[in-house]
Amino acid sequence: DAKTTQPPSMDCAEGRAANLPCNHSTISGNEYVYWYRQIHSQGPQYIIHGLKNNETNEMASLIITEDRKSSTLILPHATLRDTAVYYCIVQTGNQFYFGTGTSLTVIP
Amino acid sequence: GAGVSQSPRYKVAKRGQDVALRCDPISGHVSLFWYQQALGQGPEFLTYFQNEAQLDKSGLPSDRFFAERPEGSVSTLKIQRTQQEDSAVYLCASSSSGYGSRQPQHFGDGTRLSIL
Repeated sequence: DAKTTQPPSMDCAEGRAANLPCNHSTISGNEYVYWYRQIHSQGPQYIIHGLKNNETNEMASLIITEDRKSSTLILPHATLRDTAVYYCIVQTGNQFYFGTGTSLTVIP
Repeated sequence: GAGVSQSPRYKVAKRGQDVALRCDPISGHVSLFWYQQALGQGPEFLTYFQNEAQLDKSGLPSDRFFAERPEGSVSTLKIQRTQQEDSAVYLCASSSSGYGSRQPQHFGDGTRLSIL
């Protein structure tokens, strides 16, 4: 089963870009990478997902390396409301493996 | 509402009691998932339904845990003879497509279960 590795915590200044790395070196060719975030006492919120091409939506950008062994989630202009735990997930079949995520703190 | 709804939001039970947790998925969503989240940890997969069929229950920790989705919509997770280690947040998610789909899962806010 593919698993992910993320730094346990990161800080980012308000208004700056937040770059959250994820390692998924055992990912298989047909497994997608998903990013979710979770704010205290709420369920995980979907952010973005991709297979091998870079993706962008209204929330974030996802950069996946050519060998697909790692990816970076970019929040272009972090706000205080972006403070949350961010999970990088590789989907295997129907199962999501969440890991322990990165706790991002946006500092005023 | 438009999102996944779970009830109750909080449940306190005495050790040995049975509990039932309810999930109302997004209308029309084919797939439904249950996860267990311990304090300070990421969610862990419990079970998966496609419509009314339970296709994967590999994550259920013991035979005390039982889930059903009889009409392919609302789902109930039942825990019998609760133990203290069952204390956790139980999350439900749904997605619009079936097995192997790449559609994202949409989560409810969970039920926080505390066993005394």
